[in-house]
Amino acid sequence: DAGVIQSPRHEVTEMGQEVTLRCKPISGHDYLFWYRQTMMRGLELLIYFNNNVPIDDSGMPEDRFSAKMPNASFSTLKIQPSEPRDSAVYFCASSCFECPPYEQYFGPGTRLTVT
Amino acid sequence: KQEVTQIPAALSVPEGENLVLNCSFTDSAIYNLQWFRQDPGKGLTSLLLIQSSQREQTSGRLNASLDKSSGRSTLYIAASQPGDSATYLCAGWMDSSYKLIFGSGTRLLVRP
Repeated sequence: DAGVIQSPRHEVTEMGQEVTLRCKPISGHDYLFWYRQTMMRGLELLIYFNNNVPIDDSGMPEDRFSAKMPNASFSTLKIQPSEPRDSAVYFCASSCFECPPYEQYFGPGTRLTVT
Repeated sequence: KQEVTQIPAALSVPEGENLVLNCSFTDSAIYNLQWFRQDPGKGLTSLLLIQSSQREQTSGRLNASLDKSSGRSTLYIAASQPGDSATYLCAGWMDSSYKLIFGSGTRLLVRP
């Protein structure tokens, strides 16, 4: 398996623009997670899905952030409008509760810079 | 609110030393505990997962233990190598909800 795939790997955009981050989980995994990593706050869970349904979005910072999972193999995290404080590395992870070794597997991340 | 603390924040050791990284959490209601490694500019690589019914896990030169009663986990690295240089993160799974709460990490440098 290719692991969790994220695109783009790097994104530079201007304040006010819409940003869409994409994730393809590992095939067969039924949980998908979006995290954000910054120097100040470390790794934070933004939202997670089970069987394509959002379960907990309490970590989503503002209404400017939205996430969707239209099918088992694809998810997006959208920021509209983007702000400089959104600059961070965004990770997607997937897992299978019923499948050993039960671990969460992370993608390589998308480094977002908002100028 | 669950908080996960990692000590030390940074560690520099000569090659060959055995070392221990510490992770503590404020709420003993940890379900599972997972240790990760992160190389600069890279994603997270899962090292070990200790499930709720287990007390430790081993993989090669790595051994992780979990003591829920004291709210602590340790990662033991035997015979450290320069290739072990990275940031090590512990993360607790809350109850059975799959929410991972991360510590801030220990930045390890193994000097040749």
